[in-house]
This record gives sequence, structure tokens and C-alpha cells, in this order.
Amino acid sequence: EPEVTQTPSHQVTQMGQEVILRCVPISNHLYFYWYRQILGQKVEFLVSFYNNEISEKSEIFDDQFSVERPDGSNFTLKIRSTKLEDSAMYFCASSVWDRDNSPLHFGNGTRLTVT
Amino acid sequence: KQEVTQIPAALSVPEGENLVLNCSFTDSAIYNLQWFRQDPGKGLTSLLLIQSSQREQTSGRLNASLDKSSGRSTLYIAASQPGDSATYLCAVSPYGAAGNKLTFGGGTRVLVKP
Repeated sequence: EPEVTQTPSHQVTQMGQEVILRCVPISNHLYFYWYRQILGQKVEFLVSFYNNEISEKSEIFDDQFSVERPDGSNFTLKIRSTKLEDSAMYFCASSVWDRDNSPLHFGNGTRLTVT
Repeated sequence: KQEVTQIPAALSVPEGENLVLNCSFTDSAIYNLQWFRQDPGKGLTSLLLIQSSQREQTSGRLNASLDKSSGRSTLYIAASQPGDSATYLCAVSPYGAAGNKLTFGGGTRVLVKP
């Protein structure tokens, strides 16, 4: 079964550094998302992306965050200057449509640790 | 603002017993409700999606009901097995937003003892 793949599985970085988290969504999916889960907290929506632009973003997704689909297969999340509170599991997800009968498919996540 | 709550936070049952997991949400204006399974250190696996116009969905031993007016959903897992041990998350898709801009509950951690 097709799956969403994320790399790396674990990233350690120093505060203030830039990080790029990478994702390869399922090939026939059109909508892409980033969610995050801080340890012990709920999964939170960050951003949705369609047709090469952001369709919706949460309050968490400030100017330090950006997303890009640099080619036909990859979808990336960049954090420009990481903070300690950015430490979390970041999940990429994709869906065929952005409609009420189109389930989300998640990757296994990238655990980001900011020291 | 939509709030999703799952009670209990953790549940331990002997193998073979039926599981009942509860999810409540505060705003009934939703597109759909989705149930996910999360294994330690892994991503989320979609189990069932119930559209707002539906009352329930079934897949194998899993059955999920939705009562939108009261803001509740229940996930039933029949004849539980040790392999069902995981955290189960429910999430709602709010009406008017992007269809998969989900609001998640905190999850119920399930342990099925052999």
C-alpha cells in the first residue's frame, strides 16, 4: 500500500539553526499537510498546501515556518531559526481531496530536538 | 473554538473483551470525524472516517458511531487482541475550514493483556 515517507526520522539541532524536514506524499494525492505533536500534548494542525500554495495555516505557523514543494514529489517544512519550544514530532500527511470523505494518510514523523 | 476530549485517557482490558472508546466535541458544525491509531514512535493510521451525514461506519472488528447533535462519537473494537494495544485518537474536521484541518483529542491509550 502506498505510504507517506518522511526523512530524517530524528533531527537534533541547536537553537537558532535552520532545519528542513522532508516528506514524500502519496503520488496521486493533491493536498498536503504538516501537523506536530509536542511530547505529551495533542496533535496540532500547522498548515495545508494545495496547488503550490498554502490553503490554510494555524496561529502556530508564523514567519519562522515555511513550506515548499520544490519538485513533483517532495514537500518540505522549513523552520528558519529554531527555538527550544519547536521540539516536537512533526508529521506530514496527504489526502486525495480536501473533502468530507477523504481520509488523511500520515507519515511516521520526524522527531525534532532543539538543544 | 472546537475542543475534542477523549475519556478515559488510558484503558487496560484482558484479551477478548470488547473495547469502548469515547470522543466528545464541543462544536457540532463538522465535515467529518476520523479515528486514528498511533503506535509508539510511529505515525497515525486512519481507521474510520464518518461523514457528518452518517451515523456509523464499520471496518472488520471496528465500528464507530457519530451523534453530531450531542457532540459524541464512540469507537467499538470487538474481541480485543494484544495487537490492538495502541493509542487511539479521534479528530474532527470543522465545517467551513479546509476539509482536513483536523482538531484532535488527547487520545486513549489502550493495553490489551494476553
